[in-house]
Amino acid sequence: AQKVTQAQTEISVVEKEDVTLDCVYETRDTTYYLFWYKQPPSGELVFLIRRNSFDEQNEISGRYSWNFQKSTSSFNFTITASQVVDSAVYFCALSEAGGGSNYKLTFGKGTLLTVNP
Amino acid sequence: EPEVTQTPSHQVTQMGQEVILRCVPISNHLYFYWYRQILGQKVEFLVSFYNNEISEKSEIFDDQFSVERPDGSNFTLKIRSTKLEDSAMYFCASSLGRLNTEAFFGQGTRLTVV
Repeated sequence: AQKVTQAQTEISVVEKEDVTLDCVYETRDTTYYLFWYKQPPSGELVFLIRRNSFDEQNEISGRYSWNFQKSTSSFNFTITASQVVDSAVYFCALSEAGGGSNYKLTFGKGTLLTVNP
Repeated sequence: EPEVTQTPSHQVTQMGQEVILRCVPISNHLYFYWYRQILGQKVEFLVSFYNNEISEKSEIFDDQFSVERPDGSNFTLKIRSTKLEDSAMYFCASSLGRLNTEAFFGQGTRLTVV
């Protein structure tokens, strides 16, 4: 069974600090996909990134970077020089490709990030 | 930029009533999904739909729930007899392919059962 754990329930930082959101996943499949979504106070879910299990290269997109490590089953998300607009709930999610179950995302419980001015 | 559109944004209904939540997925997408999020909790998968049939459903998606794609653009979730515990944010999503491509979510419908 697939499972996603986001151990940090809430994180509070001051603007311009760097912050890392942790995500640990469990899966029996060798092929799977990992995602991060952002949920701002307005409530919608905004797609941030997708990685497949074969690609362990870290990715950087502006102030966002992702560190995927299969050895520790982790897919951590770092925001550099955080801004107030980054305040949101961030969800990590997993989709398995085997057994026909690549139709669904399994989400973690989310991490509420508050960036204070 | 194409987006998934959900209506209404907020619906209040009495316990036992039927509700239909509506979604217009991105036009060239082939896979459609419903998820729900009880207030303050994680997002949970309900059902996926492809080629006019359910591909997968969770244990939450019992006989009270049904989905339909009545025409070429809409995708609906019906709850036959709502319960208090059905109160949640319901998200529709669509993807071009299976979830090796990203799923794009609508802005959600907040359902309140009173």
